[in-house]
Amino acid sequence: AQSVTQPDIHITVSEGASLELRCNYSYGATPYLFWYVQSPGQGLQLLLKYFSGDTLVQGIKGFEAEFKRSQSSFNLRKPSVHWSDAAEYFCAVVLKGAQKLVFGQGTRLTINP
Amino acid sequence: NAGVTQTPKFQVLKTGQSMTLQCAQDMNHEYMSWYRQDPGMGLRLIHYSVGAGITDQGEVPNGYNVSRSTTEDFPLRLLSAAPSQTSVYFCASRRGQGYEQYFGPGTRLTVT
Repeated sequence: AQSVTQPDIHITVSEGASLELRCNYSYGATPYLFWYVQSPGQGLQLLLKYFSGDTLVQGIKGFEAEFKRSQSSFNLRKPSVHWSDAAEYFCAVVLKGAQKLVFGQGTRLTINP
Repeated sequence: NAGVTQTPKFQVLKTGQSMTLQCAQDMNHEYMSWYRQDPGMGLRLIHYSVGAGITDQGEVPNGYNVSRSTTEDFPLRLLSAAPSQTSVYFCASRRGQGYEQYFGPGTRLTVT
């Protein structure tokens, strides 16, 4: 079955440390891939997206993500987190030619001072 | 541009009551959708529309109705509210295939 998995429900990192959030998808073909961030009580904001081409994509707020076809993964990274990065992060995919955007379960990020 | 707007922000209903969650966008986007967000389950698609007059079901359509009479508006109707519909509801829109999806601020619904 087609699915999007974020294996980590909750991650805690120290301010200034590096961050990697995992996302795996199970689709027959390479979909369009997205990462969204949701601050408490807010809507969702797009961090970055991958459609094709360079497998390392840069986004807003210093985030980047790398698409790895062989691993069906699209992991989100940031070299040095800030307290303001505390939020929930969602990976989402849509098959090319399809209409439905499917979300992972989300990863809640806590930042220790 | 206001983007995607949703009203109300908060709503409390009693079981069996009906209501309509409003969603509007001013970006002339063809594609609009409704999601519900529950803890640990991410966002699940309720209904979506690829243009005025065209709607289709998502993952969790039961208990919800939609219609799309204009490009701008995509209301979500709860005909007979149930406690299982307690959730945060997000409306979203995008220009078309492969474009960024913009989200509204959400409606927090509690059904008692």
